[in-house]
Amino acid sequence: AQSVTQLGSHVSVSEGALVLLRCNYSSSVPPYLFWYVQYPNQGLQLLLKYTTGATLVKGINGFEAEFKKSETSFHLTKPSAHMSDAAEYFCAVSPSNTGNQFYFGTGTSLTVIP
Amino acid sequence: EPEVTQTPSHQVTQMGQEVILRCVPISNHLYFYWYRQILGQKVEFLVSFYNNEISEKSEIFDDQFSVERPDGSNFTLKIRSTKLEDSAMYFCASSGQGFHEQYFGPGTRLTVT
Repeated sequence: AQSVTQLGSHVSVSEGALVLLRCNYSSSVPPYLFWYVQYPNQGLQLLLKYTTGATLVKGINGFEAEFKKSETSFHLTKPSAHMSDAAEYFCAVSPSNTGNQFYFGTGTSLTVIP
Repeated sequence: EPEVTQTPSHQVTQMGQEVILRCVPISNHLYFYWYRQILGQKVEFLVSFYNNEISEKSEIFDDQFSVERPDGSNFTLKIRSTKLEDSAMYFCASSGQGFHEQYFGPGTRLTVT
């Protein structure tokens, strides 16, 4: 069975500070991992994904995430927060041997303080 | 940039009524999905659809739910007799040949009163 845990339903950072959003997963097989962002009244937009290869993946808007198999983690980071980063962030897992459905975390709401 | 669209953005219905939520996936995509998110909870998978049939469904997707691709562009989710607990945001998604990357629509907020 797959599950995703996002620690911290609300995270606040100052503008220019490091953003760190945590995601841990459980999976019986190596999964594919995703981060999505949701701005108010909009759909889920793909930020970045890990399927195979390099464990550090870069996404849009300066975000990146590192797949750490030993820690079953896929934390999302950005060196310097911008006001426009304020949104809801979702981590998702898709089992690599079946694909298809995604398993989502509960989301983390990021607030950026000017 | 191609995007998934959903209509309506907000639907209010009375308990027991039928609702149809509509989605237009990205035009060259082959896999289609419905997810829902009850307020304050995680996004949950409902069903996936490929080659005009359901390929996978969750426990949530019971006999009250059905999906259809009535033409070459629309993908619909029907709830036959809505319950209060069906109130949620419903997201449609689609993916192409390498189905690992799913593109989501903006969602339909369903309120059952």
